[in-house]
Amino acid sequence: NAGVMQNPRHLVRRRGQEARLRCSPMKGHSHVYWYRQLPEEGLKFMVYLQKENIIDESGMPKERFSAEFPKEGPSILRIQQVVRGDSAAYFCASSPPSTSGTEAFFGQGTRLTVV
Amino acid sequence: GQNIDQPTEMTATEGAIVQINCTYQTSGFNGLFWYQQHAGEAPTFLSYNVLDGLEEKGRFSSFLSRSKGYSYLLLKELQMKDSASYLCAVISTGGFKTIFGAGTRLFVKA
Repeated sequence: NAGVMQNPRHLVRRRGQEARLRCSPMKGHSHVYWYRQLPEEGLKFMVYLQKENIIDESGMPKERFSAEFPKEGPSILRIQQVVRGDSAAYFCASSPPSTSGTEAFFGQGTRLTVV
Repeated sequence: GQNIDQPTEMTATEGAIVQINCTYQTSGFNGLFWYQQHAGEAPTFLSYNVLDGLEEKGRFSSFLSRSKGYSYLLLKELQMKDSASYLCAVISTGGFKTIFGAGTRLFVKA
């Protein structure tokens, strides 16, 4: 049973380009969460999705950022027109369809560097 | 507002015991997690508390007091490999949104 898979592990983009980060949850997991972690800081919640639905996107910037979790395929976090401040590690986590006491399993993260 | 506070850094000696505290103020409470994160790696699950009291798991124990909005992680018989960040995280409203503290960086010295 593969864990949460994120790709790419490292992504370099020039300012103004688009970044697409992918996350395949663990088998049987229908909940996906995206977090951002700046160097030397904790994880900041961005968005929580279930299949084809965004449940909570209160942590995601209103502009340039979007997320989806289609019926088929991985969850995608998309950052348009990247700026230097977007450089961070982006972690995806998944959990099974339960609302209590369920730990989230994290992927290895995508480290985005904007140059 | 929602807030989780942890000390920024702690240092302890190999073989010793260390307690990492966490206080929280969140809108709703559906459980508290502790995660370990080594530099450059993904967080890994350590413990989960939803009821008051102590949960013990080998060298690691976690305590929760919901009335005080307080938890601690206790690490016994410290090893060098325990040097990492320890993240306190609370599941808030709706039972799904997990709020993380900034983490406590623990340095274990010989």
